[in-house]
Amino acid sequence: EIVLTQSPATLSLSPGERATLSCRASQSVRSLLAWYQQKPGQAPRLLIYDSSNRATGIPARFSGSGSGTDFTLTISSLEPEDFAVYYCLQRRDWPLTFGGGTKVDIK
Amino acid sequence: EVQLVESGGGLIQPGGSLRLSCAASGFTVSSNYMSWVRQAPGKGLEWVSGISPGGSTYYADTVKGRFTFSRDNSKNTLSLQMNSLRVEDTALYYCAGGRSSASIFDYWGQGTLVTVSS
Repeated sequence: EIVLTQSPATLSLSPGERATLSCRASQSVRSLLAWYQQKPGQAPRLLIYDSSNRATGIPARFSGSGSGTDFTLTISSLEPEDFAVYYCLQRRDWPLTFGGGTKVDIK
Repeated sequence: EVQLVESGGGLIQPGGSLRLSCAASGFTVSSNYMSWVRQAPGKGLEWVSGISPGGSTYYADTVKGRFTFSRDNSKNTLSLQMNSLRVEDTALYYCAGGRSSASIFDYWGQGTLVTVSS
């Protein structure tokens, strides 16, 4: 199965700062990678699909890039509601696999 | 409005069986890729099983041979039959889906909690 490794595990930043999250795949997933945001007590929410496409209603401050094995989720300027856990998910091959998550918390 | 509502969770002893359901509204499950995703307490997300619009099913290695994903098109519901449950199957189970072309999860339910304990 394809293993996704997310880094860092925790990112401590202040509102207004730029967040850069990484997801690395153990083998190429082409561009078939999505990013999800999860807040405590809530179901995950789709942010980005197929590496760089924003889901409906997702603000422009969220952007995704990458292909093959290296992917990045960037939040250009953190808003208070962006402090959450972020997961990547590959759909290149079954079984689908999630990364371990990156927690973005308030510094 | 699209809604996915899971049910069927509960407390079960190791080795037991449980059947989870996911009822969909505003959305046709048979036309879309659907999945079950779980989250153990305090842990990350784990994809469990998926079904294609054509009815093909897929499983994580951790549940293969024990879990069965099925679909009732007439009731617009999904089911996850879980047998030979283990303590490590304890988790909040979500159903998720949204696209006819791919496993991209636009929609999620709120989850149903399964606790496997003696």
